[in-house]
Amino acid sequence: EAQVTQNPRYLITVTGKKLTVTCSQNMNHEYMSWYRQDPGLGLRQIYYSMNVEVTDKGDVPEGYKVSRKEKRNFPLILESPSPNQTSLYFCASSFRNSGRANEQFFGPGTRLTVL
Amino acid sequence: AQSVTQPDIHITVSEGASLELRCNYSYGATPYLFWYVQSPGQGLQLLLKYFSGDTLVQGIKGFEAEFKRSQSSFNLRKPSVHWSDAAEYFCAVGIYGNKLVFGAGTILRVKS
Repeated sequence: EAQVTQNPRYLITVTGKKLTVTCSQNMNHEYMSWYRQDPGLGLRQIYYSMNVEVTDKGDVPEGYKVSRKEKRNFPLILESPSPNQTSLYFCASSFRNSGRANEQFFGPGTRLTVL
Repeated sequence: AQSVTQPDIHITVSEGASLELRCNYSYGATPYLFWYVQSPGQGLQLLLKYFSGDTLVQGIKGFEAEFKRSQSSFNLRKPSVHWSDAAEYFCAVGIYGNKLVFGAGTILRVKS
């Protein structure tokens, strides 16, 4: 089954404790992206990757890191989480388009709470 | 700058009634447009998309949307709502660089 998987689905942590949220897709997509969803703000892009070893900042990158060492995986790293990073996080992937966005496929989401 | 506006934060409709969710976008070029649905505790699922051609597009679950360039709108419609349609709906515009810009979402409640 074609899918995007994320782990963990739920996470409660404390301020300053490094964490990683994993994302994996099995559709051979070049493009992958991380979003955070907050009430009243919709989804905002954190980081994205056009292909292996190519990553770039989205609209809200502060406090996050990513890496793309393999095509299928795109982990999101919070090196020192803070309470304002409490949110619902989505990973998405798509085939890379030479122009505008293609349909993106979304993971189930990770609900993160930072105390 | 590109943006998407969904004017209605919440909408409540009775089961069996018709539905229209509004979406307006701001983008300098011809847009790619999407509607996604997020059921409680779930990820986002694509309902339909518009790239070019016929301005009335059909999607899954009985939804349709109409692109109106003159109004910069891409409103989502369904003739008869079912209780299972209760969810949050997001309109998005696809811009250069493979990026999606999302609206803030509209939460649909269905009264039985």
